[in-house]
Amino acid sequence: NAGVTQTPKFQVLKTGQSMTLQCAQDMNHNSMYWYRQDPGMGLRLIYYSASEGTTDKGEVPNGYNVSRLNKREFSLRLESAAPSQTSVYFCASTVSQNYGYTFGSGTRLTVV
Amino acid sequence: AQSVTQLDSHVSVSEGTPVLLRCNYSSSYSPSLFWYVQHPNKGLQLLLKYTSAATLVKGINGFEAEFKKSETSFHLTKPSAHMSDAAEYFCVVILQGGSEKLVFGKGTKLTVNP
Repeated sequence: NAGVTQTPKFQVLKTGQSMTLQCAQDMNHNSMYWYRQDPGMGLRLIYYSASEGTTDKGEVPNGYNVSRLNKREFSLRLESAAPSQTSVYFCASTVSQNYGYTFGSGTRLTVV
Repeated sequence: AQSVTQLDSHVSVSEGTPVLLRCNYSSSYSPSLFWYVQHPNKGLQLLLKYTSAATLVKGINGFEAEFKKSETSFHLTKPSAHMSDAAEYFCVVILQGGSEKLVFGKGTKLTVNP
């Protein structure tokens, strides 16, 4: 019953460093998403992948890149981290919009 | 454009009293609507969903929500609050157009006082 697994759970980066957040789901879902959560802002969509082999920008894509490696995995990359990217990042997946999303437990990222 | 507005950023209730968390939506289409709950330092959990079936939707942990098209509302209620209900709650609308993207409200933090 793993659902959606995110790694790492916590990370501290220095400004300018790069890193990749990993996400994997074992529910055979087609669609996967990356959100960031900031206080008072709710969740904002960074990128999504409606199916294997496709990715699209969301509301706040600047400073990020994604890779849909296969049906299970969807990674988020920060090429040159900035303090404004300090946030909690959530990965989610779904089989169909009527079922809602399954969320991972989040990655808390701090950029200093 | 579709959006969702949570009318209260914070709600405080006493244990055993009713809970009302308000949500209004804006949509050109018949929407799909959800409520999610997030306990401190946890991920998001689906509470309930409305997808054009019955307008009164029952969810987990005694919560329910009523879809009112005339008022464009989808308020979340619970008859009697429990201490474990203290969390942040998000009202969510599906963004139509085939991409299955969810649009989140800014959240309502629920405090339950003993």
